[in-house]
Amino acid sequence: QITLKESGPTLVKPTQTLTLTCTFSGFSLSTSGVGVGWIRQSPGKALEWLALIYWDDDNRYSPSLKSRLTITKDTSKNQVVLTMTNMDPVDTATYYCAHRPRGVATRFDYWGQGTLVTVSS
Amino acid sequence: DIQMTQSPSSLSASVGDRVTITCRASQSISGFLSWYHQKPGKAPKLLIYAASNLQSGVPSRFSGSGSGTDFTLTISSLQPEDFATYYCQQSYTTPTFGQGTRLEIK
Repeated sequence: QITLKESGPTLVKPTQTLTLTCTFSGFSLSTSGVGVGWIRQSPGKALEWLALIYWDDDNRYSPSLKSRLTITKDTSKNQVVLTMTNMDPVDTATYYCAHRPRGVATRFDYWGQGTLVTVSS
Repeated sequence: DIQMTQSPSSLSASVGDRVTITCRASQSISGFLSWYHQKPGKAPKLLIYAASNLQSGVPSRFSGSGSGTDFTLTISSLQPEDFATYYCQQSYTTPTFGQGTRLEIK
C-alpha cells in the first residue's frame, strides 16, 4: 500500500525559504522509472505542478518557478524534500506530494493529504 | 509551457446523465494526457492516464479518448459520488494541468 505524507511549516514570512518534506511508504525511490512530484493548489484555484524527482536523481521543474525550487531525495529515509526560496503571499497554497509510477507517461496515482502553507508577515 | 484548456468550466447535471468534458492542448501532446477528479478538501484522484487507460480501481463508467490536441473524458451514467472538479494534465513536456471543470448537481 502506497502512502505519502507532507510535513513542514504552516506559516512562513515573505522572503523566507519554505522547506517541505514528503515521507512515503509502500514503494522505493530506487526503482527504475519511479518518481515523486510536488503539486500545489492555491485556495479556490487549479492544480499547479512544481517539481518531480526520478529514481535516478533526474529532476524536472516548472519553468516559471525553476529559479526558486530545489527537489532532493533521501532514498534511505524514504523522503523527498522540496525547497522554495523567496516566498510571497501568492505562494499561499496546499502543497501535495504524489507518486509517479513507472511508464512513459507521467501521471500521479497516489497523493498525500496535502499541507496548507500560508505566507504572511 | 503547454497550455491546457478545459471546457466547460462548470456544468450542472443529474444522476444518471451522460457527461463529457473536453481538454484542449496548445500544441500536440500525442496521448500524454491524464484525468483526475477532486472533491473539496481532498487530494486529486487519478482516473485515466495515457488518454484512454482506466486507472486500477476506477469504475468503468469513466472513459477517455483523444490524441494530439483534443481529448475528452466521458462519464456514462453520473453517480452521486462523481460530483467534483475534474482536471486534465499533460505530460508531453513538463506537466501542466487544465484550469478545472466543476461538475455540480442540477
